Amino acid sequence: GESVGLHLPTLSVQEGDNSIINCAYSNSASDYFIWYKQESGKGPQFIIDIRSNMDKRQGQRVTVLLNKTVKHLSLQIAATQPGDSAVYFCAESAVMNYGGSQGNLIFGKGTKLSVKP
Amino acid sequence: SAVISQKPSRDICQRGTSLTIQCQVDSQVTMMFWYRQQPGQSLTLIATANQGSEATYESGFVIDKFPISRPNLTFSTLTVSNMSPEDSSIYLCSVEDPRTYWDYNEQFFGPGTRLTVL
Repeated sequence: GESVGLHLPTLSVQEGDNSIINCAYSNSASDYFIWYKQESGKGPQFIIDIRSNMDKRQGQRVTVLLNKTVKHLSLQIAATQPGDSAVYFCAESAVMNYGGSQGNLIFGKGTKLSVKP
Repeated sequence: SAVISQKPSRDICQRGTSLTIQCQVDSQVTMMFWYRQQPGQSLTLIATANQGSEATYESGFVIDKFPISRPNLTFSTLTVSNMSPEDSSIYLCSVEDPRTYWDYNEQFFGPGTRLTVL
């Protein structure tokens, strides 16, 4: 079946450096992508999303890049802080239901980001 | 954004027993989802629960094992039946927070229920 995966399972960065977390997806029909952050003992927290008609979207300290040609998604975190330490998941959706529902989200395996002070 | 609570937050159960997990949302939502997250793994969708209709289960999940109720627009339950150690996981409910018509909707997650089956 279709799947979403990640290139790197763990990432360790120095506080203040920029972090880049990568994700590969295989379903060319996916039209919506999301990055979630999951801290220990908590549910995933929405970070940023991007639609397939865009290739870049920026938020506060975060940027998501989408390369549909190679089916690649990345999350860039600027000036990484200790509070950014968490597991990051990408998710894709290929279902655009009536009313804009995402439908089924397919999650990648996750990358653990550790920030060294 | 929707605020989601789950009960219990964690439990340790004996094999062969069943556990019902509750999910409460602070606003009315159409679509609610139940996910499983096995230790150190990613999230896998179990089923979609819409109010007024039967839950829709994903491949590998069946109603007899994971019965779901959705009595109203703010509440849902997931039961893990006849548990075995392989059911030890975090179970998460999520909801879509509807925004504009035809817009993509953010999906918010509850804190999860950590289940250990002995």
